[in-house]
Amino acid sequence: NAGVMQNPRHLVRRRGQEARLRCSPMKGHSHVYWYRQLPEEGLKFMVYLQKENIIDESGMPKERFSAEFPKEGPSILRIQQVVRGDSAAYFCASSRGREKLFFGSGTQLSVL
Amino acid sequence: GESVGLHLPTLSVQEGDNSIINCAYSNSASDYFIWYKQESGKGPQFIIDIRSNMDKRQGQRVTVLLNKTVKHLSLQIAATQPGDSAVYFCADLNQAGTALIFGKGTTLSVSS
Repeated sequence: NAGVMQNPRHLVRRRGQEARLRCSPMKGHSHVYWYRQLPEEGLKFMVYLQKENIIDESGMPKERFSAEFPKEGPSILRIQQVVRGDSAAYFCASSRGREKLFFGSGTQLSVL
Repeated sequence: GESVGLHLPTLSVQEGDNSIINCAYSNSASDYFIWYKQESGKGPQFIIDIRSNMDKRQGQRVTVLLNKTVKHLSLQIAATQPGDSAVYFCADLNQAGTALIFGKGTTLSVSS
């Protein structure tokens, strides 16, 4: 069984560009979570989605960040007009419920 | 609050020793706790979880202990191996019950 798939593995963007991070959950999982991790720090919750619905976006910055989990296709985390402070590892996780999460390998975003 | 944290940022042990990693939580209403292991460059990997109606749960070479009186959680690793070297995170559900909130992590270093 394939695990949580994230792509790209590494993403380089210049300031002002857009970043799109993709996440395909494990088969049978309908819950998707996005977390951000800065170097030497823990994971910070960003958003929790189910198919076509945002359940909890309390960790998302108010501007420039958005997430979706369409009926068909992967979940997308979109960052518009990236700034250097957006550089981080972004992890997606999926689950059948709200507890045991299975994480992907992450996307390392570097903003030049 | 709903934060979790770890007592020590680093722990160094000899191969074959038992390791104990501690975590304190502040939300007395927390009813679910989980431990993850994260190796360098990888996503967090599930180790073991426990519900608040239990004091102890055992897995393969790992044991989680929960002391609700002092709001303390610990992960015990028996016969620690070099492959156990990683950052260990504890997490619990936020007050809304919608997302896992992670502590900052303890880096376990195992020397041969």
